[in-house]
Amino acid sequence: KAGVTQTPRYLIKTRGQQVTLSCSPISGHRSVSWYQQTPGQGLQFLFEYFSETQRNKGNFPGRFSGRQFSNSRSEMNVSTLELGDSALYLCASSFRTGGGNEQFFGPGTRLTVL
Amino acid sequence: DQQVKQNSPSLSVQEGRISILNCDYTNSMFDYFLWYKKYPAEGPTFLISISSIKDKNEDGRFTVFLNKSAKHLSLHIVPSQPGDSAVYFCAVEAGGGNKLTFGTGTQLKVEL
Repeated sequence: KAGVTQTPRYLIKTRGQQVTLSCSPISGHRSVSWYQQTPGQGLQFLFEYFSETQRNKGNFPGRFSGRQFSNSRSEMNVSTLELGDSALYLCASSFRTGGGNEQFFGPGTRLTVL
Repeated sequence: DQQVKQNSPSLSVQEGRISILNCDYTNSMFDYFLWYKKYPAEGPTFLISISSIKDKNEDGRFTVFLNKSAKHLSLHIVPSQPGDSAVYFCAVEAGGGNKLTFGTGTQLKVEL
Protein backbone atom coordinates (compact mmCIF):
# COMPACT_ATOMS: atom_id res chain seq x y z
CA LYS A 1 0.00 0.00 0.00
CA ALA A 2 1.54 3.30 -1.05
CA GLY A 3 2.09 5.89 1.67
CA VAL A 4 1.25 9.56 1.73
CA THR A 5 3.05 11.43 -1.02
CA GLN A 6 3.80 15.12 -1.11
CA THR A 7 5.03 17.18 -4.03
CA PRO A 8 7.27 18.93 -4.48
CA ARG A 9 9.73 17.82 -1.80
CA TYR A 10 11.70 21.05 -1.92
CA LEU A 11 10.74 24.53 -3.02
CA ILE A 12 12.47 27.90 -3.05
CA LYS A 13 10.39 31.05 -3.46
CA THR A 14 10.87 34.77 -2.90
CA ARG A 15 8.87 37.08 -0.68
CA GLY A 16 5.55 38.13 -2.13
CA GLN A 17 5.15 35.08 -4.35
CA GLN A 18 2.56 32.40 -3.85
CA VAL A 19 3.01 28.66 -3.63
CA THR A 20 0.84 25.54 -3.96
CA LEU A 21 1.74 22.27 -2.28
CA SER A 22 0.14 18.95 -3.08
CA CYS A 23 -0.68 15.90 -0.97
CA SER A 24 -1.91 12.50 -2.12
CA PRO A 25 -3.34 10.49 0.79
CA ILE A 26 -3.28 6.75 1.25
CA SER A 27 -5.92 5.11 -0.94
CA GLY A 28 -9.25 5.03 0.85
CA HIS A 29 -8.37 7.76 3.35
CA ARG A 30 -10.84 10.62 3.37
CA SER A 31 -9.20 12.93 5.91
CA VAL A 32 -6.19 15.06 5.05
CA SER A 33 -4.60 17.41 7.57
CA TRP A 34 -1.80 19.90 7.08
CA TYR A 35 0.86 20.91 9.60
CA GLN A 36 3.68 23.42 9.61
CA GLN A 37 6.94 22.57 11.38
CA THR A 38 9.46 25.28 12.26
CA PRO A 39 12.34 25.28 14.76
CA GLY A 40 10.73 28.08 16.76
CA GLN A 41 7.06 27.03 16.85
CA GLY A 42 7.32 23.27 16.42
CA LEU A 43 4.53 21.34 14.74
CA GLN A 44 1.42 23.44 14.27
CA PHE A 45 -1.92 22.41 12.81
CA LEU A 46 -3.05 24.33 9.74
CA PHE A 47 -6.32 22.71 8.67
CA GLU A 48 -8.11 19.43 8.07
CA TYR A 49 -10.27 18.40 5.14
CA PHE A 50 -12.68 15.51 5.25
CA SER A 51 -14.75 14.50 2.24
CA GLU A 52 -13.92 17.81 0.50
CA THR A 53 -15.06 19.94 3.45
CA GLN A 54 -12.80 21.90 5.78
CA ARG A 55 -13.45 20.38 9.16
CA ASN A 56 -10.94 22.16 11.37
CA LYS A 57 -8.74 25.22 11.08
CA GLY A 58 -5.70 26.29 13.05
CA ASN A 59 -4.50 29.76 13.98
CA PHE A 60 -2.96 30.87 10.73
CA PRO A 61 -3.69 34.00 8.67
CA GLY A 62 -5.97 33.90 5.67
CA ARG A 63 -2.93 33.74 3.36
CA PHE A 64 -2.95 30.02 4.13
CA SER A 65 -5.72 28.15 2.38
CA GLY A 66 -6.44 24.66 1.22
CA ARG A 67 -8.85 22.44 -0.61
CA GLN A 68 -9.61 18.81 -1.15
CA PHE A 69 -10.72 17.14 -4.33
CA SER A 70 -13.21 14.34 -4.85
CA ASN A 71 -10.37 11.79 -4.99
CA SER A 72 -9.24 13.03 -1.53
CA ARG A 73 -6.07 14.62 -2.88
CA SER A 74 -5.44 17.95 -1.19
CA GLU A 75 -3.61 21.13 -1.97
CA MET A 76 -2.58 23.98 0.25
CA ASN A 77 -1.81 27.45 -0.99
CA VAL A 78 0.17 30.22 0.64
CA SER A 79 -0.14 33.66 -0.92
CA THR A 80 2.10 36.70 -0.45
CA LEU A 81 4.90 34.65 1.03
CA GLU A 82 6.84 36.00 4.01
CA LEU A 83 10.26 34.98 5.27
CA GLY A 84 8.60 33.39 8.30
CA ASP A 85 6.72 30.97 6.08
CA SER A 86 9.94 29.04 5.57
CA ALA A 87 9.14 25.68 7.09
CA LEU A 88 8.55 22.00 6.57
CA TYR A 89 4.93 21.46 5.54
CA LEU A 90 3.56 18.06 6.41
CA CYS A 91 0.33 16.46 5.41
CA ALA A 92 -1.27 13.52 7.12
CA SER A 93 -4.08 11.25 6.05
CA SER A 94 -6.42 8.94 7.91
CA PHE A 95 -9.48 6.89 7.15
CA ARG A 96 -11.67 8.60 9.70
CA THR A 97 -11.62 11.81 11.65
CA GLY A 98 -11.28 12.17 15.39
CA GLY A 99 -11.22 9.45 18.02
CA GLY A 100 -7.49 9.41 18.58
CA ASN A 101 -7.01 7.49 15.39
CA GLU A 102 -3.70 7.06 13.63
CA GLN A 103 -2.72 9.68 11.11
CA PHE A 104 -0.15 8.76 8.46
CA PHE A 105 2.27 11.53 7.63
CA GLY A 106 4.03 12.20 4.38
CA PRO A 107 7.72 13.17 4.19
CA GLY A 108 6.89 16.85 3.89
CA THR A 109 7.65 19.72 1.54
CA ARG A 110 10.56 21.92 2.60
CA LEU A 111 9.69 25.52 1.64
CA THR A 112 12.38 28.18 1.72
CA VAL A 113 11.36 31.81 1.27
CA LEU A 114 14.16 34.21 0.30
CA ASP B 1 0.51 29.89 25.54
CA GLN B 2 1.84 26.35 25.22
CA GLN B 3 -0.97 23.86 25.85
CA VAL B 4 1.29 20.83 25.62
CA LYS B 5 4.78 20.79 27.12
CA GLN B 6 7.62 18.33 26.95
CA ASN B 7 10.10 19.73 29.43
CA SER B 8 13.00 17.44 28.53
CA PRO B 9 14.43 18.31 25.14
CA SER B 10 16.66 15.24 25.25
CA LEU B 11 17.02 11.89 26.98
CA SER B 12 19.79 9.33 26.85
CA VAL B 13 19.18 5.69 27.85
CA GLN B 14 21.16 2.48 27.64
CA GLU B 15 19.99 -0.31 25.38
CA GLY B 16 17.73 -2.75 27.22
CA ARG B 17 16.73 -0.25 29.92
CA ILE B 18 13.45 1.63 30.23
CA SER B 19 12.91 4.97 28.48
CA ILE B 20 10.36 7.27 30.09
CA LEU B 21 9.19 10.29 28.14
CA ASN B 22 6.97 12.86 29.81
CA CYS B 23 4.38 15.35 28.68
CA ASP B 24 2.22 17.89 30.53
CA TYR B 25 -0.91 19.57 29.26
CA THR B 26 -3.06 22.41 30.49
CA ASN B 27 -6.58 21.79 29.19
CA SER B 28 -8.71 19.15 30.90
CA MET B 29 -11.06 19.04 27.89
CA PHE B 30 -8.70 17.05 25.67
CA ASP B 31 -10.25 13.76 24.57
CA TYR B 32 -7.32 11.79 23.22
CA PHE B 33 -3.61 11.73 23.83
CA LEU B 34 -1.13 10.37 21.31
CA TRP B 35 2.56 9.72 20.85
CA TYR B 36 4.41 10.04 17.56
CA LYS B 37 8.07 9.50 16.78
CA LYS B 38 10.02 11.21 14.06
CA TYR B 39 13.24 10.28 12.30
CA PRO B 40 15.19 12.95 10.38
CA ALA B 41 13.89 13.65 6.88
CA GLU B 42 10.70 11.67 7.52
CA GLY B 43 7.21 12.57 8.68
CA PRO B 44 6.08 11.60 12.20
CA THR B 45 4.97 8.01 12.76
CA PHE B 46 2.11 7.11 15.08
CA LEU B 47 3.06 5.00 18.08
CA ILE B 48 0.18 4.73 20.51
CA SER B 49 -2.85 6.63 21.78
CA ILE B 50 -5.08 6.70 24.84
CA SER B 51 -8.51 8.15 25.43
CA SER B 52 -9.27 10.39 28.39
CA ILE B 53 -11.42 7.67 30.00
CA LYS B 54 -8.47 5.32 30.43
CA ASP B 55 -5.29 5.59 32.45
CA LYS B 56 -3.11 3.03 30.66
CA ASN B 57 -2.71 1.57 27.21
CA GLU B 58 -0.14 -0.99 26.11
CA ASP B 59 1.14 -2.02 22.71
CA GLY B 60 4.13 -4.30 22.71
CA ARG B 61 7.14 -2.48 24.13
CA PHE B 62 5.20 0.78 24.38
CA THR B 63 2.92 1.77 27.28
CA VAL B 64 1.23 5.13 27.70
CA PHE B 65 0.08 6.30 31.12
CA LEU B 66 -2.41 9.10 31.66
CA ASN B 67 -2.76 10.94 34.97
CA LYS B 68 -5.73 13.26 34.48
CA SER B 69 -5.58 14.88 37.89
CA ALA B 70 -1.98 15.91 37.27
CA LYS B 71 -2.60 16.58 33.55
CA HIS B 72 0.39 14.41 32.83
CA LEU B 73 1.10 11.84 30.14
CA SER B 74 4.06 9.50 29.88
CA LEU B 75 5.38 6.97 27.41
CA HIS B 76 7.38 3.98 28.61
CA ILE B 77 9.52 1.99 26.20
CA VAL B 78 10.75 -1.34 27.54
CA PRO B 79 13.27 -2.59 26.58
CA SER B 80 14.79 0.33 24.71
CA GLN B 81 16.53 -0.46 21.44
CA PRO B 82 19.00 1.58 19.36
CA GLY B 83 16.34 1.84 16.60
CA ASP B 84 14.15 3.76 19.05
CA SER B 85 16.52 6.73 18.80
CA ALA B 86 14.33 9.49 17.38
CA VAL B 87 12.38 12.59 18.38
CA TYR B 88 9.21 11.75 20.29
CA PHE B 89 6.21 14.08 20.25
CA CYS B 90 3.19 13.89 22.46
CA ALA B 91 -0.01 15.28 20.96
CA VAL B 92 -3.51 15.99 22.17
CA GLU B 93 -6.80 15.96 20.35
CA ALA B 94 -9.78 18.00 21.48
CA GLY B 95 -12.34 15.84 19.74
CA GLY B 96 -14.40 16.42 16.65
CA GLY B 97 -11.62 15.92 14.17
CA ASN B 98 -8.00 15.19 13.51
CA LYS B 99 -6.69 18.48 14.86
CA LEU B 100 -3.62 17.67 16.92
CA THR B 101 -1.70 20.00 19.20
CA PHE B 102 1.87 18.77 19.51
CA GLY B 103 4.44 19.17 22.24
CA THR B 104 7.92 20.42 21.45
CA GLY B 105 9.46 16.96 21.28
CA THR B 106 12.08 14.97 23.18
CA GLN B 107 15.15 13.64 21.41
CA LEU B 108 15.70 10.09 22.65
CA LYS B 109 19.10 8.49 22.20
CA VAL B 110 19.46 4.80 23.01
CA GLU B 111 23.09 3.90 23.46
CA LEU B 112 24.73 0.50 23.16
